Amino acid sequence: EVQLVQSGAEAKKPGESLRISCKTSGYRFTSHWISWVRQMPGKGLEWMGRIDPSDSYTNYSPSFQGHVTISSDKSTSTAYLQWTSLQASDTAMYYCAREGDGNYDDYWGRGTLVTVSS
Amino acid sequence: DIVLTQSPETLSLSPGERATLSCRASQTVSSGSLAWYQQKAGQAPRLLIYGASTRATGIPDRFSGSGSGTDFTLTISRLEPEDVAVYYCQQYISSPITFGGGTKVEIK
Repeated sequence: EVQLVQSGAEAKKPGESLRISCKTSGYRFTSHWISWVRQMPGKGLEWMGRIDPSDSYTNYSPSFQGHVTISSDKSTSTAYLQWTSLQASDTAMYYCAREGDGNYDDYWGRGTLVTVSS
Repeated sequence: DIVLTQSPETLSLSPGERATLSCRASQTVSSGSLAWYQQKAGQAPRLLIYGASTRATGIPDRFSGSGSGTDFTLTISRLEPEDVAVYYCQQYISSPITFGGGTKVEIK
């Protein structure tokens, strides 16, 4: 069974750093890209970027390029989303998703809620 | 970027009625590289349709997708109470991948 298990909710202050995780199981990790999607409170879905775990090649949305870093670890079948300096506007639910045989997202994690407040 | 515009914003129908959701793209979405997702309150999105018209595993056949080029449609043939959700379209042929703004489906 394919599973994407995301790390727990985080409460941080502006300027702090953060890395959230997405641990996968039930399939070959290096065979499918992993995407990250943001959902701000009460808003729609925004594609942030993705990673090919086979070679760690990344592809970012221009809206998020330079503000976040996507990485992966083949040894633990885990993908990561990282910030070096959080802002209040980063408060959102963040989902990881596995890309299927096309580039659509066929399996999703349950989301990690990130709250940034002073 | 390919902009996806969904309409209507909200759809309120009675159980058993037919729901028709529209997704219009600002440029041609080639190869039918369009997906539909369902997101119920407090839950992660779930893939319903990919390739514009192929149902994902386990999706009931009352959900169907159609369209090509710039105009796509998700149809729920007979609305059931558990279909209350926000539905999003997504194009995945062109980077950045983009989502529509969503259509909220309510039961009268």
